[in-house]
Amino acid sequence: SQQGEEDPQALSIQEGENATMNCSYKTSINNLQWYRQNSGRGLVHLILIRSNEREKHSGRLRVTLDTSKKSSSLLITASRAADTASYFCATALGGATNKLIFGTGTLLAVQP
Amino acid sequence: EPEVTQTPSHQVTQMGQEVILRCVPISNHLYFYWYRQILGQKVEFLVSFYNNEISEKSEIFDDQFSVERPDGSNFTLKIRSTKLEDSAMYFCASSSTSGGARTGELFFGEGSRLTVL
Repeated sequence: SQQGEEDPQALSIQEGENATMNCSYKTSINNLQWYRQNSGRGLVHLILIRSNEREKHSGRLRVTLDTSKKSSSLLITASRAADTASYFCATALGGATNKLIFGTGTLLAVQP
Repeated sequence: EPEVTQTPSHQVTQMGQEVILRCVPISNHLYFYWYRQILGQKVEFLVSFYNNEISEKSEIFDDQFSVERPDGSNFTLKIRSTKLEDSAMYFCASSSTSGGARTGELFFGEGSRLTVL
């Protein structure tokens, strides 16, 4: 079983619609981060939410964190064709470790 | 805007050959990482480096792998004797915080695609 599992694996929506991606994890965390990856490119940090935070906003992005359910969601509002990419959640585990563990990712396709 | 740069962007090598992938992290960053992503799969942690030594490594990072920060700016990943299954995209990342990912975001390079024939 995976530390970070995301659903759906793939999501196709129309431009202007909202996209919601979910991430579940198994162990305690220091923070949870969301990254975006365009095909064949590097990962770009979107937003970080700490374990004592419940919700965070950045532009059209809204992230929630429920530590009791060990889950997070990423909402992209008013999607654009340029939002087409893979989205990964990544957890910074509790304790002294300083690495990120990436989830399986959601492939988002926004149709113009 | 400062960025992490990686070279080469693509390297093709024969099985058994040594490969060195190079990274220039963002200046003044403190924590450095290598990750890899096999085509179509998730991004996997390889190793983290802090204060001139390995901080953590995964089970993937066996004796065939090594990292160096030879001159205070470059951060290299060496694979001593490549195998077919080493074919992947290798990403370098750096963090500005002394806690690495525990306290802040990671900045990733564009990756080096390694193809082992």
